Amino acid sequence: EDQVTQSPEALRLQEGESSSLNCSYTVSGLRGLFWYRQDPGKGPEFLFTLYSAGEEKEKERLKATLTKKESFLHITAPKPEDSATYLCAVQARNTPLVFGKGTRLSVIA
Amino acid sequence: DTGVSQDPRHKITKRGQNVTFRCDPISEHNRLYWYRQTLGQGPEFLTYFQNEAQLEKSRLLSDRFSAERPKGSFSTLEIQRTEQGDSAMYLCASSFPQTVNYGYTFGSGTRLTVV
Repeated sequence: EDQVTQSPEALRLQEGESSSLNCSYTVSGLRGLFWYRQDPGKGPEFLFTLYSAGEEKEKERLKATLTKKESFLHITAPKPEDSATYLCAVQARNTPLVFGKGTRLSVIA
Repeated sequence: DTGVSQDPRHKITKRGQNVTFRCDPISEHNRLYWYRQTLGQGPEFLTYFQNEAQLEKSRLLSDRFSAERPKGSFSTLEIQRTEQGDSAMYLCASSFPQTVNYGYTFGSGTRLTVV
């Protein structure tokens, strides 16, 4: 069974304090690993798709990396508007996305 | 196209009543998904369609739940004889898997409260 474990469950950062979120996964035949951002009361918003170990994607202050067993979402010099829940999901071939529980990030000014 | 639309945004119902939610996907997307999310958890897969065909249903989807996607356009999710445990956010998403860097596009969800 495909599984996704995210850590930490919650993270509190000062503005400008860089950190990383972890996503460990077990999947048969990875087709893609996805990162989403979710604000309270809203649906998840797509950030990145990673397909193979060694791949990296960047968007503003966010950078996602992928190995054969885990993915990291690095947040550089975060701002209060980066506060949200970050969700990781994996997809095996021809199956729907399986999500982790997410990491709740709070960035304090 | 303004994305995935879900209606209603909020629904409060009494235990035992039936409820129906609607999802309008992005028009070019041929796949449509339903997920359920409770507080502090990630979205859990319920079912998905490719065009009008329902291809997979989760074990979470009891007999009280039914989903349809007539003509491969909008979809409805009906819950019969609601229970308090059905209280959750119901999320709809759509995708077009043939595109590069595809990702599911989610709607804003329908929050169901069963009292």
